[in-house]
Amino acid sequence: DGGITQSPKYLFRKEGQNVTLSCEQNLNHDAMYWYRQDPGQGLRLIYYSQIVNDFQKGDIAEGYSVSREKKESFPLTVTSAQKNPTAFYLCASNLVGSDEQFFGPGTRLTVL
Amino acid sequence: LAKTTQPISMDSYEGQEVNITCSHNNIATNDYITWYQQFPSQGPRFIIQGYKTKVTNEVASLFIPADRKSSTLSLPRVSLSDTAVYYCLVGRGGGADGLTFGKGTHLIIQP
Repeated sequence: DGGITQSPKYLFRKEGQNVTLSCEQNLNHDAMYWYRQDPGQGLRLIYYSQIVNDFQKGDIAEGYSVSREKKESFPLTVTSAQKNPTAFYLCASNLVGSDEQFFGPGTRLTVL
Repeated sequence: LAKTTQPISMDSYEGQEVNITCSHNNIATNDYITWYQQFPSQGPRFIIQGYKTKVTNEVASLFIPADRKSSTLSLPRVSLSDTAVYYCLVGRGGGADGLTFGKGTHLIIQP
């Protein structure tokens, strides 16, 4: 089955630690995205990538980093510089030229 | 990006038709209107997209008046499983720069 997978589903970390969230897709999509969602709020764009080895900052990139070494993978690292990292993180992908984004199941990150 | 305004919440009953209206007064000429649905603790799911007049698919209809300053998502004969948050997005076609989601409309369907 084609789709987007994110792991882990729940993640706990201590303050001051970096943590990496995984996102993999087998839809052969060129573009991939990371969003953050806080309770009762909409999604905010963190980073996006339209092609391998290239990515752009979204609206709230501070405290986050990404890499795009393979078309299928777009991991997100939440660094200790992110002041309020507790949130629901969603990865998405789409074909360039299409507005239909496909989302993964999300990772809920809690900082203790 | 054009700002959108939707009701924060709506209630309806099973079997009814539900219409959710979105205002986007500053929509640009090359902007499209897209609606997504999100269930709790899941990623959003694309429902429908349109540019003008009316678009219909197996899930919903989208009505866009001639001035394009608003749009209405119509869900026919809703069921309890349609309880979700519905987002109206406005932006240029292609979506390559990512999507801007507002707070959406929390639709609650009662038996």
